[in-house]
Amino acid sequence: AQSVSQHNHHVILSEAASLELGCNYSYGGTVNLFWYVQYPGQHLQLLLKYFSGDPLVKGIKGFEAEFIKSKFSFNLRKPSVQWSDTAEYFCAVNADNQGGKLIFGQGTELSVKP
Amino acid sequence: KAGVTQTPRYLIKTRGQQVTLSCSPISGHRSVSWYQQTPGQGLQFLFEYFSETQRNKGNFPGRFSGRQFSNSRSEMNVSTLELGDSALYLCASSPLAGVNEQFFGPGTRLTVL
Repeated sequence: AQSVSQHNHHVILSEAASLELGCNYSYGGTVNLFWYVQYPGQHLQLLLKYFSGDPLVKGIKGFEAEFIKSKFSFNLRKPSVQWSDTAEYFCAVNADNQGGKLIFGQGTELSVKP
Repeated sequence: KAGVTQTPRYLIKTRGQQVTLSCSPISGHRSVSWYQQTPGQGLQFLFEYFSETQRNKGNFPGRFSGRQFSNSRSEMNVSTLELGDSALYLCASSPLAGVNEQFFGPGTRLTVL
C-alpha cells in the first residue's frame, strides 16, 4: 500500500532560520506531489504541487520543494522563515492509478519563535 | 468565488446514531472528495465523487457512505456512530476528476459521545 512519511513531527525555529521538512513516499509508479499548509484556525491550503517537468517547484510565500525520484522524496524548503509561517504542514501524494485520492503524511507542526 | 462550504460546522451525536454531513463545492467544480482527520490517524481519504458517481473509496467500513447530486453538492453519511468516529471531516473540491489541485473546506467537527 502507498504511504507517505514526514520525518519531523514538530520543528521549532527562530525567525530568519532556514527550513527543510522531509517527505518520503512509497510507490514505484508515477506520482503527483503536494504540500499543504494549515494555519491555526484556517483551512488546508495548497502551498505547491508537482505534476511533471522541472523537479524544483516554487510555491506561495517563498516556499519551494524538490522532487528527487531516486530517493522517493519531496522535501519542502524555505530560506528564511517568519513568525507567520507557524502552522502544520502536510505532504500528500497522488498515485497515477488512484484517481484524485490523496495520501497524506502525518504532518509536521512548525513553530517559529519571533 | 466562494470557497468550499460545509454544514454543519460542529455536531455532537451519541453512539448508535447516524449523521449526515453536507458539502457544497466551489462553483464550477464537479469533483468532491471527503477526508477524515484525527490526531491519531491523520488525514485519511474516504471517497471521491464525480458526476454523481463514486470513483474511489478509502478503507473505511460500510457505515460510511456518500453521494453526489446533479449540482455537484455532496453528502456523506455515517450510520451507527462509534466513539472512534469523532473527527474533523473535510470536503475538498476540484474542477475535474482525477489529479487536480483540491480546494478544502473548513470541515465539520463531529463529536460522538
